[in-house]
Amino acid sequence: QVQLQESGPGLVKPSQTLSLTCTVSGGSISSGGYYWSWIRQHPGKGLEWIGYIYYSGSTYYNPSLKSRVTISVDTSKNQFSLKLSSVTAADTAVYYCANGAQGYFDLWGRGTLVTVSS
Amino acid sequence: DIQMTQSPSSLSASVGDRVTITCQASQDISNYLNWYQQKPGKAPKLLIYDASNLETGVPSRFSGSGSGTDFTFTISSLQPEDIATYYCQQYDNLPMYTFGQGTKLEIK
Repeated sequence: QVQLQESGPGLVKPSQTLSLTCTVSGGSISSGGYYWSWIRQHPGKGLEWIGYIYYSGSTYYNPSLKSRVTISVDTSKNQFSLKLSSVTAADTAVYYCANGAQGYFDLWGRGTLVTVSS
Repeated sequence: DIQMTQSPSSLSASVGDRVTITCQASQDISNYLNWYQQKPGKAPKLLIYDASNLETGVPSRFSGSGSGTDFTFTISSLQPEDIATYYCQQYDNLPMYTFGQGTKLEIK
């Protein structure tokens, strides 16, 4: 059974780059037809889709974050990663990696809280 | 951008009640609408996809309906374990995904 696990620093300083990794276990990230996404949830708030990477390497980002987001994949490690630059306190959130066929997310990681603070 | 408006934002009901949550899209999204359940401290879980299809393993008391701009999510008989926040999510204008603001369901 495929599982996702986020990892990365829980505390990031303002203006720095937030970096998270999602490790895929029980399956191959190179499997066709799946979109590997990052989604975040501000404390006590709703869900915001950040972007995805397709197994082929193509990416798409939420236009509201596009200028600061990079999602990449490392097939040798079965991981995909998120980088969010120039962070502010407004980027404090629980960050989830998720997966699914086009249109929906049927597999989620547990999420990781990232706090932006000096 | 397509906006998704859920109502109510919170709801209190008794065990055994029929519960209905609505989601309205700002434009026609056909049936490109999913529903998720999120329990406190947990990741969301897909319950309904393509407006009315029950995800494998999800109890049959959950259902969804609608198309175009108006969608409904129903729990036919509320159970204590259904306490959660429910979100709709559209995918009509791929590759962009948008969630509703959520409906927090509590037991009365």
